[in-house]
Amino acid sequence: EVQLVESGGGLIHPGESLRLSCAASGFSFSSYWMAWLRRAPGKGLEWVASIKQDGGETFYMDSVKGRFTISRDNARNSLFLQINSLRAEDTGVYFCAREDHSTYVFWGQGTLVTVSS
Amino acid sequence: EIVMTQSPATLSVSPGERVTLSCRASESVSSRLAWYQQKPGQAPRLLIYGASSRATGIPGRFSASGSGTEFTLTISSLQSDDFAIYYCQQYKNWPPMYTFGQGTRLEIK
Repeated sequence: EVQLVESGGGLIHPGESLRLSCAASGFSFSSYWMAWLRRAPGKGLEWVASIKQDGGETFYMDSVKGRFTISRDNARNSLFLQINSLRAEDTGVYFCAREDHSTYVFWGQGTLVTVSS
Repeated sequence: EIVMTQSPATLSVSPGERVTLSCRASESVSSRLAWYQQKPGQAPRLLIYGASSRATGIPGRFSASGSGTEFTLTISSLQSDDFAIYYCQQYKNWPPMYTFGQGTRLEIK
């Protein structure tokens, strides 16, 4: 059974940093593109970032470029999102998901990031 | 960036009714369009990919159509389990710059 379990969310002040993690199991993690997506309060879903199987290619939505870094550790079946210079508009539930032909069948349950002073 | 616009924002319907949700892209995405269902406190669930193909395990009451810029999702006979928020997602761009619509909330009338 495919399982994705996020961790690392919390209440953070503007300008601070956070590292989200996602533990994957039940599939060959190193064979898939992986992604982070989020849902902000009162807003819809947003694709945030994607990473290739070997970590050699990464892509980001425009508003997080230069602040967010997606990475992975295939030996530990883990996906990460380093978030720097947090802003209020980064508040939301962050999901990791397995990318299947650019769509998302398998998702974690999400981890809540709240940016507030 | 391709902007996805869903309508209506909220739809109040009764169980058993047929409902159609719309999604429009700001430019053609061919058939690279997916639909998701999200319930409170849960992760989104993929319903449709390739504009009209049901994902594994999705009931036949869900159908979808469209290509280019206009897409629809139809639920033929609403069940209580179907009241949720529905999102469309385009995945045409490469390098990826995937975008979602703002969602349509399906409420019980």
